[in-house]
Amino acid sequence: DTAVSQTPKYLVTQMGNDKSIKCEQNLGHDTMYWYKQDSKKFLKIMFSYNNKELIINETVPNRFSPKSPDKAHLNLHINSLELGDSAVYFCASSRRLAGRYNEQFFGPGTRLTVL
Amino acid sequence: GQQLNQSPQSMFIQEGEDVSMNCTSSSIFNTWLWYKQDPGEGPVLLIALYKAGELTSNGRLTAQFGITRKDSFLNISASIPSDVGIYFCAGFPSGNTPLVFGKGTRLSVIA
Repeated sequence: DTAVSQTPKYLVTQMGNDKSIKCEQNLGHDTMYWYKQDSKKFLKIMFSYNNKELIINETVPNRFSPKSPDKAHLNLHINSLELGDSAVYFCASSRRLAGRYNEQFFGPGTRLTVL
Repeated sequence: GQQLNQSPQSMFIQEGEDVSMNCTSSSIFNTWLWYKQDPGEGPVLLIALYKAGELTSNGRLTAQFGITRKDSFLNISASIPSDVGIYFCAGFPSGNTPLVFGKGTRLSVIA
């Protein structure tokens, strides 16, 4: 199926640990994103990569480090996890035409719980 | 940063009723998108609007791009139980800026 996929779906870990979330898209898009959705369901962009280059880096603690090995993959590594990092993290992708953003397609989300 | 004001925050309606929700901004937007999020899933794109005044339908859903470019609405006709979920408006402000989301409208349908 053509889609944006994320692994794992659920991630439960202890405070202070380091964890990674993986994202892959087979839609042929050139831009990928990470969003954080808090308990009130508010969606906020964290990062965006276009052709493996970082183009958006919102005010996110530097414990969060995205890595894009190729256009189809964008992984999110989180160091020294804190309680406040508990949220649902969504990966998304889109095609960027003429330097402009276009509609984004989302993965199923990774629910991170930090204990 | 730019914000979208989405209303209502939540709605409880009877099955078969029509639903209307809207999104407003204090600044101009180039594109309006409407997404639906089911529990435990990611947002799914319902309708994309690209021009002021544009009216687009997707089955029982109809959305319009306001002529001032500062608002958009989504209507759902003859609601059914599977319409339950959170509906998000989102938009691209003028210029090359990332997607901005509204805070969502949580829809509950009573059978």
